Amino acid sequence: GQQLNQSPQSMFIQEGEDVSMNCTSSSIFNTWLWYKQDPGEGPVLLIALYKAGELTSNGRLTAQFGITRKDSFLNISASIPSDVGIYFCAGRAGGTSYGKLTFGQGTILTVHP
Amino acid sequence: DTGVSQNPRHKITKRGQNVTFRCDPISEHNRLYWYRQTLGQGPEFLTYFQNEAQLEKSRLLSDRFSAERPKGSFSTLEIQRTEQGDSAMYLCASSLGSSGASYNSPLHFGNGTRLTVT
Repeated sequence: GQQLNQSPQSMFIQEGEDVSMNCTSSSIFNTWLWYKQDPGEGPVLLIALYKAGELTSNGRLTAQFGITRKDSFLNISASIPSDVGIYFCAGRAGGTSYGKLTFGQGTILTVHP
Repeated sequence: DTGVSQNPRHKITKRGQNVTFRCDPISEHNRLYWYRQTLGQGPEFLTYFQNEAQLEKSRLLSDRFSAERPKGSFSTLEIQRTEQGDSAMYLCASSLGSSGASYNSPLHFGNGTRLTVT
């Protein structure tokens, strides 16, 4: 099925470093969402973005909805070991597609203490 | 715990058997979604309900798959004549979304049912 292009696929960083990951799409989305998934669990919502250009923070996390509505990025500042996991972007188109999220392939984050 | 609840957490079955999974959404959410996730991939949309009405189905949902939400509360996903390719994590999610500001509300996921077909 259709998926977003999410990069990087994986990151290995030291505790305290900042992290940045992004998602691009060939389609316009009305909503961008960022989720984190731990092994054996479902995705947990981190940040939701609803307007082009919107910049939203949640603690050490900051995400932006690209002005073209075809991309989004997520930054994590001052990483800690519990940030380890898989981060997914997800986009939602409008109209009759309101029910469906399209997910990226995920970014695997490893944080070394 | 008032999150999305899925049962069972794990299911191992032999090829050709039928399996059924259950999802209990967050109580005030009228939208319910089923997704499938294979190793190393993001979740892929299968179907969604608004109340008891099934409003959209993916091409991934072959005729061996059927989902129901008879009273607009919990939902079941049944897979008939399972195949090894059906092995995956089946995720359920729910959201608000009938009108106004809730129409675009984010999805909240359960912890999934991991299906292994041997």
